[in-house]
Amino acid sequence: EDKVVQSPLSLVVHEGDTVTLNCSYEVTNFRSLLWYKQEKKAPTFLFMLTSSGIEKKSGRLSSILDKKELFSILNITATQTGDSAIYLCAVDAGNNRKLIWGLGTSLAVNP
Amino acid sequence: DAGITQSPRHKVTETGTPVTLRCHQTENHRYMYWYRQDPGHGLRLIHYSYGVKDTDKGEVSDGYSVSRSKTEDFLLTLESATSSQTSVYFCAISGSRPTDTQYFGPGTRLTVL
Repeated sequence: EDKVVQSPLSLVVHEGDTVTLNCSYEVTNFRSLLWYKQEKKAPTFLFMLTSSGIEKKSGRLSSILDKKELFSILNITATQTGDSAIYLCAVDAGNNRKLIWGLGTSLAVNP
Repeated sequence: DAGITQSPRHKVTETGTPVTLRCHQTENHRYMYWYRQDPGHGLRLIHYSYGVKDTDKGEVSDGYSVSRSKTEDFLLTLESATSSQTSVYFCAISGSRPTDTQYFGPGTRLTVL
């Protein structure tokens, strides 16, 4: 059965810290891995990763994929209180563009 | 932001009543999805559509039905609402290209008393 596992499930840090969120997957037909951020509303898209070793970067956020070891990480440097959110990882396994979702990592950044 | 709206945004209803949620898109995307999100369960797919009149079940489809009579609208119906269907419901859309991602509507908070 296809599955996506995120760790940790929750995390509390102080402003300025660097955090690393993990996403591992087991799917039979991998197409891409996606990261989303969810504040108190709908998820918003962050990154799509399809190739190993190529870092995607947006400001203080970056992500990389390892297709051999079947995982991805999302890094956030110099965290701010506005980074507090649930970070969701999902994998497109090529079946009508359906995504397989992890449970998310809840990040709280304290001032 | 992708052009997706959901209506209503909030609804309170009673057990046993039928409820219809609407998702409307202006992006002409082929794929549309209905999810529910509950604490501890993450996002769970209810039903999805891969074209007009083409729909299929997701992982939690019992008690729900859908219809898609035109590209822009995807309706989710709770045939007889139960308290276990109290949840936040999200609609999402996606295009057909490999680089297309799912974009979400603002969500509908449904409470079944």
